[in-house]
Order: sequence, then C-alpha cells, then structure tokens
Amino acid sequence: AQSVAQPEDQVNVAEGNPLTVKCTYSVSGNPYLFWYVQYPNRGLQFLLKYITGDNLVKGSYGFEAEFNKSQTSFHLKKPSALVSDSALYFCAVRGRSGANNLFFGTGTRLTVIP
Amino acid sequence: DAGVIQSPRHEVTEMGQEVTLRCKPISGHNSLFWYRQTMMRGLELLIYFNNNVPIDDSGMPEDRFSAKMPNASFSTLKIQPSEPRDSAVYFCASSSHQGLETQYFGPGTRLLVL
Repeated sequence: AQSVAQPEDQVNVAEGNPLTVKCTYSVSGNPYLFWYVQYPNRGLQFLLKYITGDNLVKGSYGFEAEFNKSQTSFHLKKPSALVSDSALYFCAVRGRSGANNLFFGTGTRLTVIP
Repeated sequence: DAGVIQSPRHEVTEMGQEVTLRCKPISGHNSLFWYRQTMMRGLELLIYFNNNVPIDDSGMPEDRFSAKMPNASFSTLKIQPSEPRDSAVYFCASSSHQGLETQYFGPGTRLLVL
C-alpha cells in the first residue's frame, strides 16, 4: 500500500537558517511524491512534485525537495527560512499505479522564529 | 482561472439538520476529491470522482454522508442527519490527468454542528 510518514509534528527554525521538513515513503511501483503547504484558514497549496528525472526538485517560494530512493525519503528544504514560511506542510504520494488519488501524511507544523 | 470554488465558506447548524456542501472544480479538470480535516484525524479522503463517476468512496464515514457529481462542473457533499462529530473543515480539490495528479484545493467549508 502507498503511504508517507512525516516523523515530526513540529519543526522550529530561526529566520535565515536553513530548514528541513522530513518525509519518508512506502510505495509499490514508481513513486509520485508531492509537497503541499497550508496557511491558516486556507486550503492546501501545491509546492512541488517528483515524478521522474532529477532527484532535486525545485518548487514555489524557494522550496526544493530531494528524492532519495535508497533512503525512501523526500525531504523538503529551503536554504534560508522566512517568518512567512510558518505553516503546516504535508507530504503526499500518489495511489497505486493508474490511480490519481493522493495519500497525505499527518502534516508538520513549521514555525520560523524571528 | 478562479480556482476551485466551495460554498458556503462557513456553516453552523444544529444536530439532526441536513447539510449540503458545494464545489465547483477548475474548468477542464476531470477528477474531483472531497476531504475532511480535523485536529484529531488530520486530512482524510472521503470520496473521489473521475469523469463524474465515483471511484473510491471507502473514506465516507457512514451512510449519513453522500456525494454526487451530476456534471463536470459541480459536486455536492451531503450530510443527513448531521452530528456534532461531523464538525470539521471540508475541502474539495480537483485535478487533471494531464497535470499528473497535482491536486488544487478549494478554500474549504468550515462546518460546526451544535
């Protein structure tokens, strides 16, 4: 079965420091992996996705994610955190091959401290 | 593009009343998803449609919940009768196969059942 795990409920980082939000996956077949962000009282917004190709994926707002097949990970990263990056972040994986539903992780709340 | 449109944005009702949530997907998208988000259970997929046909409704909590998609531009999620434990934020999302399953979320409907 397809699933993702986000091991940290909460991540705190100082403004200007690099940030990492962790995600590991378990899939049968090739993984389609996604990151979404949710700001307070808003719907989820797409940040980036990995389908195939380069292991380093660049997305919106300066975020990037590194696909690591050997570690089955897809960690979200940003070189320099902004206070406005404070939000809830979700990792997701596509359902079984041919399906188009997504399985979401439990979310990680990122707080960037001024 | 207006994005995914949901109505109402907020709904307060009394236990036992019928609640109808509405969603208009992005024009041209052929898949539509209904999610529920709570603090306790996180983000849950309730049901999704491809080309107006329900594909997987295994996430629908019980018979009190029903969803329809009469055409490509409109879907409803109905709860009858509503209960306090149904209080949550309900999100609609849509995607197109050409977009490789990237889902675009609406702003959500915040439901409170008293």
